[in-house]
This record gives sequence, C-alpha cells and structure tokens, in this order.
Amino acid sequence: EAGVAQSPRYKIIEKRQSVAFWCNPISGHATLYWYQQILGQGPKLLIQFQNNGVVDDSQLPKDRFSAERLKGVDSTLKIQPAKLEDSAVYLCASSPPGGLAGLTDTQYFGPGTRLTVL
Amino acid sequence: GQQVMQIPQYQHVQEGEDFTTYCNSSTTLSNIQWYKQRPGGHPVFLIQLVKSGEVKKQKRLTFQFGEAKKNSSLHITATQTTDVGTYFCAGPLSTLTFGKGTMLLVSP
Repeated sequence: EAGVAQSPRYKIIEKRQSVAFWCNPISGHATLYWYQQILGQGPKLLIQFQNNGVVDDSQLPKDRFSAERLKGVDSTLKIQPAKLEDSAVYLCASSPPGGLAGLTDTQYFGPGTRLTVL
Repeated sequence: GQQVMQIPQYQHVQEGEDFTTYCNSSTTLSNIQWYKQRPGGHPVFLIQLVKSGEVKKQKRLTFQFGEAKKNSSLHITATQTTDVGTYFCAGPLSTLTFGKGTMLLVSP
C-alpha cells in the first residue's frame, strides 16, 4: 500500500513570497490533516478535512494560510505571504474511514515538506 | 490553555539501559496515542490507550495510561540503537494535541 505522498520535499523562499505544498493521501482515506512541525516541537494541527469539507481549522492562521481539498482526494496548503516564523516542516497525514467512538483516528503521516523562509 | 506536556525533553542512554518518558495532560483524556519519529523522518503511530489504568506491551515497549486518564508513560527495556528517535504522546483536547516529545539517543 502506497503511503501519503507530499511534494516538494524541500523549499527555500524569501519572506513575503508565496509557497504551495501538495499532498496525496493513502487511497481510500477520507480524512486529511495538515500539520506544522517547528524544530524541537511536536506537530501542530493546522486544518482537518473530512472528504472535501473542513472539520477543524481553528489553528490555521487564515490571514496568510489557506488549504483546499476540492475533489476530496489530494490537497494543497498555501502560504501567502510567508514570514520567517513559518520555517518548519509541513506534514500531511490521513486516516481511514470508520473510526470507532471514543477513539482518535490513527494518523498516517507523509514525509513532509521542509520550508525555510529567509 | 489545554496542553500536553512531556518529560524529559532529551535522554541519552547506553545501549542496554532502560528508558522512560512521561506524558501529562492538563485535562482528562478519552484516549492517548504514542508516535515515534526517527531523525529526519515522520511520526509513525505506535499505539493508542483508551482505558483507565491500561497497560499494553509491544516487545520491549510498555505503555501505560494513568488511572485518572491524565497521564501516560512509555518504558523501553534494554534499549537498542534502533530505538533512537523522538517519542511523542498525543491527546484529543480541542484538537489532537501533541506533546513536544522526548528525544532518545542510544550509544552503542
């Protein structure tokens, strides 16, 4: 079974520029997540999709970050304009459908995109 | 605000020694998950604990969920160099919230 795919793997940009990341989840996984992982910290959830609908975007800085999952499969995360503090690894994760009540869905993470903002 | 805390932040052991990392939540959790992230890699799911006082084992790894469901621990017996990485706990607060992790280094 193929894992979560992400591209690019690395990106270097200057502050105030724009950048976009792409994610293709595991086939059949209805739930897709974008996380930001700053060096030395745990992943922080930015946005969660269920199919093509947003479930949770409470921690997404909406003035500069946007994400979409138009056809309920792959997703893009955009930052416009980027700031120095956006330097981090952006992880995409997906979960299969059919989670049981009282359980948290297992997150299957992709390799991530390492963003450096200069 | 609600948070998940882990200690220690970092531990360096000799191969064969034991290792324990602790996770504490500011609030009661319905469940807790543990992930491992190898250097340069991505988090990989290890286990989920649900019941108060639950103990689960995976070979040399023992996971425990506290009676009050506010804390958890991961204990590795007789560490090996393959255990190197950062271990994260994660709990469902307002969103799934990860701790900062415990980085484990194992010297041969």
